[in-house]
Amino acid sequence: DIQMTQSPSTLSASVGDRVTITCRASRSITTWLAWYQQKPGKAPNLLIYDASSLESGVPSRFSGSGSETEFTLTISSLQPDDFATYYCQHYNGYFGPGTKVDIK
Amino acid sequence: QVQLAESGGGVVQPGNSLRLSCSASGFTFSDYGIHWVRQAPGKGLEWVAVISYDGSIKYYADSLKGRFTISRDNIKNTVYLQMNGLRAADTAVYYCGQGTPIRYWGQGTPVTVSS
Repeated sequence: DIQMTQSPSTLSASVGDRVTITCRASRSITTWLAWYQQKPGKAPNLLIYDASSLESGVPSRFSGSGSETEFTLTISSLQPDDFATYYCQHYNGYFGPGTKVDIK
Repeated sequence: QVQLAESGGGVVQPGNSLRLSCSASGFTFSDYGIHWVRQAPGKGLEWVAVISYDGSIKYYADSLKGRFTISRDNIKNTVYLQMNGLRAADTAVYYCGQGTPIRYWGQGTPVTVSS
């Protein structure tokens, strides 16, 4: 089956920083990829679908790119509400291991 | 508005069974596939299973095949996850979610497998 990996596993950043998270698939998944944000004790929240489409209601500082096997989630200017864990997911179900964004 | 509500979680002894329910409202239930996703304490999200809108197609995580069964009742607007042969490693919060990608999630139901 297709395996999903993410890097880094933890990222320390400051408010206002540009943040990039990478997700890789073990083989091509075209653009069948979503990104989620999760905060402690809460269900995940969909940010990006089809690799680069912004979900309705999600701030425009979030963006996604990539295709085939390599994908990125970018936060253009990190806000206090963005400190959370981010997961990529292939549409076959499998998630990446997550990237925790914490305060530097 | 779209709502998903999981129930049926609790404390169960190793080897025993449990059936989780995911009750849905606020959308045409029979139009959407439904996923189960779990999260062990302090760990990441783990996809468990998905069932198609009409129940004809089901997929499971490789690690769970044979122990868990997903089903749905489109009259009751409910999806079920039957979990057999439970192990300590199955301890987690279990979420259900609508569609692919998952746009709407329930609040989760905790399952603890312990003697």
